[in-house]
Amino acid sequence: SAVISQKPSRDICQRGTSLTIQCQVDSQVTMMFWYRQQPGQSLTLIATANQGSEATYESGFVIDKFPISRPNLTFSTLTVSNMSPEDSSIYLCSVEDGAGATGELFFGEGSRLTVL
Amino acid sequence: AQSVSQHNHHVILSEAASLELGCNYSYGGTVNLFWYVQYPGQHLQLLLKYFSGDPLVKGIKGFEAEFIKSKFSFNLRKPSVQWSDTAEYFCAVNAVNYGQNFVFGPGTRLSVLP
Repeated sequence: SAVISQKPSRDICQRGTSLTIQCQVDSQVTMMFWYRQQPGQSLTLIATANQGSEATYESGFVIDKFPISRPNLTFSTLTVSNMSPEDSSIYLCSVEDGAGATGELFFGEGSRLTVL
Repeated sequence: AQSVSQHNHHVILSEAASLELGCNYSYGGTVNLFWYVQYPGQHLQLLLKYFSGDPLVKGIKGFEAEFIKSKFSFNLRKPSVQWSDTAEYFCAVNAVNYGQNFVFGPGTRLSVLP
């Protein structure tokens, strides 16, 4: 299993500002994933953060809006840029356990952002 | 593209009632299937998973799920729910050989009345 810590756990932000969310894992992992869970909705994958290369973004998400860093195998950051109320959401960091694409996902407790 | 549907948005049960939450997915190839639970104020955690073998899988806290390939379904069951099962339940599918992309269902909120 993997233990994932996210900071901040929650924040209230002003429109137009940016916020960086940190994700720390207690073990080295190849891929880290960033999800968004909008109010009353399910999880949507934003991007996959790979160490040593640029993140891979899903359709509808762009690097300018959600820049990601992955400086080593245990840490990643997601920045939500130029925030608007539509960005109010829970942002979740996740890692996979197990070999290949068959492992389960472990999640952090999430970062709940409210944009005014 | 893959999609996952869950039959109920909100289920309300009394303690000791039986539970079945429906999950269907759309992908014709080999899949790995998961049920995750999110208790109030807590992070998502795995209830159970199916990769291969016996289509009836047992998870934590007395939950089980049955994979029916012909119906593209992976329904979650529990014979007798407790108040502590109140949570949000998410079905998720990962299509093997389709890249690393878990697709989550919309979730079902379960409220168990004491």
